[in-house]
This record gives sequence, structure tokens and C-alpha cells, in this order.
Amino acid sequence: EAQVTQNPRYLITVTGKKLTVTCSQNMNHEYMSWYRQDPGLGLRQIYYSMNVEVTDKGDVPEGYKVSRKEKRNFPLILESPSPNQTSLYFCASSLAGSYEQYFGPGTRLTVT
Amino acid sequence: AQKVTQAQTEISVVEKEDVTLDCVYETRDTTYYLFWYKQPPSGELVFLIRRNSFDEQNEISGRYSWNFQKSTSSFNFTITASQVVDSAVYFCALSEAGGTNTGNQFYFGTGTSLTVIP
Repeated sequence: EAQVTQNPRYLITVTGKKLTVTCSQNMNHEYMSWYRQDPGLGLRQIYYSMNVEVTDKGDVPEGYKVSRKEKRNFPLILESPSPNQTSLYFCASSLAGSYEQYFGPGTRLTVT
Repeated sequence: AQKVTQAQTEISVVEKEDVTLDCVYETRDTTYYLFWYKQPPSGELVFLIRRNSFDEQNEISGRYSWNFQKSTSSFNFTITASQVVDSAVYFCALSEAGGTNTGNQFYFGTGTSLTVIP
């Protein structure tokens, strides 16, 4: 089944404790992206990647890192999480040029 | 400035009524894409439609139709004969080309929450 998977689905952590949210797709998509969803703000793009080792900042990259070492994986790294990073995070992927993004199920992160 | 504006935060309609969700966008690019996504109460995001900037033809898919007007920078979404299953948050999005190798950046609106009352 074609899908985008994210792990973990739920995470509660404390300020400053490094964490990684994994994202993997099995559709051989070139484009991958991370978003955060907050009430009243819609979805905001954090980072995106067109290919292996090619990444770029979205609208809200501060406090986040990404890497694209393999085509199928695009982990989101929070080196020192803060409470304002409490949010619902979505990973997405699409074929290059299509941009019809397939979204993962979301990861709900709470930073206390 | 917001690149995608969905001025309607919440809309309620009675089943079988028609409803239009508004989307206004802002871009200086000549090539761009517009999208609508649906987020039902279960939380997943479902792709509904993509439109590129060179194709202003309106599109109809069953009870759904989209009206793209470059002159007013709008990409409105109409649901005809609404059903309870249409209750969801609907997002409009704009994609602009980034650098030559970095792919497109996406901008989503803040969403319109539609409630269809039986």
C-alpha cells in the first residue's frame, strides 16, 4: 500500500531533550516536506526537499533540522525542543513536478 | 502578508444546501499551483484538486466544483447538495517554484471549518 508513515504518532517530552520524528514514503517520491499545524494558523511549511541531500527552508524553519540521506526518508530533528514547538506535525511527499502531496497521519508533539 | 487567505473561519449549512468556500491568493510568480485539501474529523489530509496557473478552466468532480479566476486571484470551491460527510476543515494552498533544484514552497490558508447539519 502506497503510504507515508510517521513515527511516533504521539510524543510528550520536556524542554531541551533532543528528539527525532521519522518520516518514510514507499512511493519513490522525489519531493518531501514537513509542516506544522496550529489552531488558527493552518499548516505552515517547515522544510522541504527535492532530492537526496537537497533541502530548503520553508516558512517556519527556526528550531528544526532535517536531513535527506535516502530518498524514502526525511526525518525532522528538534535539537532543543521548546514549548512553542508543541504542535501537530505532518510529513508529505509527492512526485517532482506533480506536487500532489500525500500526507502522513500526523505526529502530535507536546513539549512541557 | 498572508499568501493564501481563507476569510471564512467557520461555515454551517443544512444538508442539501450548496456552499462555497472562498480562497484568495497572492503571488508574483507567473507559474504557480493551487490546491484544495480536506481534513475530516479523523485528522488526515486528503488531496482534492490541483490547478496550475495556466489553466483557468473550471473543474467539476461530482458534487464538487472549483472556480479559478486569475483576475481576482481567487480559487473558490463549491459543494453542491452538501452532505454530512462533507463536514471537515478545508484548506486552500499555493505552491510557488523555489530555486531551480530545491522544489516548490507551499503556503496554506488557515482553513475553513464546514459543518453540515443533518
